[in-house]
Amino acid sequence: EPEVTQTPSHQVTQMGQEVILRCVPISNHLYFYWYRQILGQKVEFLVSFYNNEISEKSEIFDDQFSVERPDGSNFTLKIRSTKLEDSAMYFCASSEAGGLSTDTQYFGPGTRLTVL
Amino acid sequence: QKEVEQDPGPLSVPEGAIVSLNCTYSNSAFQYFMWYRQYSRKGPELLMYTYSSGNKEDGRFTAQVDKSSKYISLFIRDSQPSDSATYLCAMRYKAAGNKLTFGGGTRVLVKP
Repeated sequence: EPEVTQTPSHQVTQMGQEVILRCVPISNHLYFYWYRQILGQKVEFLVSFYNNEISEKSEIFDDQFSVERPDGSNFTLKIRSTKLEDSAMYFCASSEAGGLSTDTQYFGPGTRLTVL
Repeated sequence: QKEVEQDPGPLSVPEGAIVSLNCTYSNSAFQYFMWYRQYSRKGPELLMYTYSSGNKEDGRFTAQVDKSSKYISLFIRDSQPSDSATYLCAMRYKAAGNKLTFGGGTRVLVKP
């Protein structure tokens, strides 16, 4: 069964450093998403991406964050200058048909980001 | 008032019992409703998806939506220890695009 994959599974970084989290969405999906989950809190939407551009973003997704689809398979989330409060699990998700009523999002296993 | 609320649990049941989970929501615009299962430190796994009021069944799982009461439920029949996980409800509506809004999750423990 096709699945979303993410690398690395765990990333430790120093405050102020840049990190890039990588995702390979399901191959025939066209819509891509990043969510995050701070330990003990809700899963929160960050950004959605379609047709090589951001379609929506939350207030969390400020100028420190960026997303890119550098090639036909990868989808990345970059955090330019990490803060302690960026420590969280970051989930990539993908869906086939965007806003259609039947569309559903499939999540990857997550990258645990620890900022020291 | 939070947009989507779930009792955090934990909900402890004996193996074979019915697990009953629910979410309430405040925004009547929500149209599409999902239940995800999340094992510790793993990604959410889609269990059920529905977009109309009423019941939807899939194996041991039944999802129920009551839009008039802004209330959704998930029932797990014949629960197994492997069902021990956190169950997340999620929902979205067309005008908000594809963004999913999640509840905080209910932790379920099925004891052998």
